[in-house]
Amino acid sequence: DAKTTQPPSMDCAEGRAANLPCNHSTISGNEYVYWYRQIHSQGPQYIIHGLKNNETNEMASLIITEDRKSSTLILPHATLRDTAVYYCIVRGQQTGANNLFFGTGTRLTVIP
Amino acid sequence: EAGVAQSPRYKIIEKRQSVAFWCNPISGHATLYWYQQILGQGPKLLIQFQNNGVVDDSQLPKDRFSAERLKGVDSTLKIQPAKLEDSAVYLCASSPRAETQYFGPGTRLLVL
Repeated sequence: DAKTTQPPSMDCAEGRAANLPCNHSTISGNEYVYWYRQIHSQGPQYIIHGLKNNETNEMASLIITEDRKSSTLILPHATLRDTAVYYCIVRGQQTGANNLFFGTGTRLTVIP
Repeated sequence: EAGVAQSPRYKIIEKRQSVAFWCNPISGHATLYWYQQILGQGPKLLIQFQNNGVVDDSQLPKDRFSAERLKGVDSTLKIQPAKLEDSAVYLCASSPRAETQYFGPGTRLLVL
């Protein structure tokens, strides 16, 4: 699985958009970009994933660059409950061993 | 839909003692994972089951850790004997197949 690079921490004002970047320059053609977040004292929570097209769901939007070497997770209107560690992970969709390789993620703090 | 259930939520033991954790995955999910999360780090996979068979246990310290998933539903993870460095949160996750993983709340273990 390809390695990802994320900034260790970011702040965002409540109500503003939070844009979390992720570099994955060694991603291969069949690997997806996944985003999870972990709120304090809870298990990781799935947010969104994509292959090459931009994706949007009720939680967030995922923008993947055309060369697929980087992506950005966008929380359109951050709230205090979005304060968490956000993990960007790349992995294939093959059956068999398909564990998630978590790095240290980005700690997002939403400020009132 | 009920989420992944884990128990106990917290456990404190002395080093060299034994401890067991229990996980009940989301109904119908064939794949079950156990992760270890040390403070300040992302979760790390210990073992992956597909139904009641082991798919990947390459990161499981087999001299002291064991896991089973009898009947392909519930799973237990055991540590025997525990060491100080086993202090961590133990997370269980499940997925339908090679798809999005859903995590439980975790068991926080402190070894004194």
